[in-house]
Amino acid sequence: RKEVEQDPGPFNVPEGATVAFNCTYSNSASQSFFWYRQDCRKEPKLLMSVYSSGNEDGRFTAQLNRASQYISLLIRDSKLSDSATYLCVVSSNNNDMRFGAGTRLTVKP
Amino acid sequence: DAMVIQNPRYQVTQFGKPVTLSCSQTLNHNVMYWYQQKSSQAPKLLFHYYDKDFNNEADTPDNFQSRRPNTSFCFLDIRSPGLGDAAMYLCATSRGTYTQYFGPGTRLTVL
Repeated sequence: RKEVEQDPGPFNVPEGATVAFNCTYSNSASQSFFWYRQDCRKEPKLLMSVYSSGNEDGRFTAQLNRASQYISLLIRDSKLSDSATYLCVVSSNNNDMRFGAGTRLTVKP
Repeated sequence: DAMVIQNPRYQVTQFGKPVTLSCSQTLNHNVMYWYQQKSSQAPKLLFHYYDKDFNNEADTPDNFQSRRPNTSFCFLDIRSPGLGDAAMYLCATSRGTYTQYFGPGTRLTVL
């Protein structure tokens, strides 16, 4: 079983749609959780950290369920510029980040 | 702007010919990482330096080595590249155990 698993997609959604991604992790000792965004042939960039209480940043909402060992990312009112691969990242300490393979999102006009 | 810089952005080498990839940072972060990412796969951590302490991942092949001569620079040496080593190599930095910031990557082609 992979340490971090994501549905690879692709998710193809129209502009304005709401889309949600889930990610599961196997290490119950994991302490830190992140969503990174990676554009084609570019480096990953931090989208948001995920806190136990859940957190929101504009159109993006991240949630953590420790009991079930999954995290989620919700994108509301999708924009064309949201098209990218979204990487789920889990760490038992922040020098030991484990990446999921990513979920590819395409937002269409 | 403070940043993580990788050179070259594209590197072509021949099978078995040693190659060195470079990473520098102006963030004054004490931790530097090297990841390998193949197409449609997750970035895979190869090793990292926490200050001067080198931390190798258990499954990183001996073919991959790293040097960190000072806080700002870190190098990835591939001693005898094979076709399976063609990938994007990403450098990242962090301050202690905080968030990692990535450079733009070096895309390695092995002929």
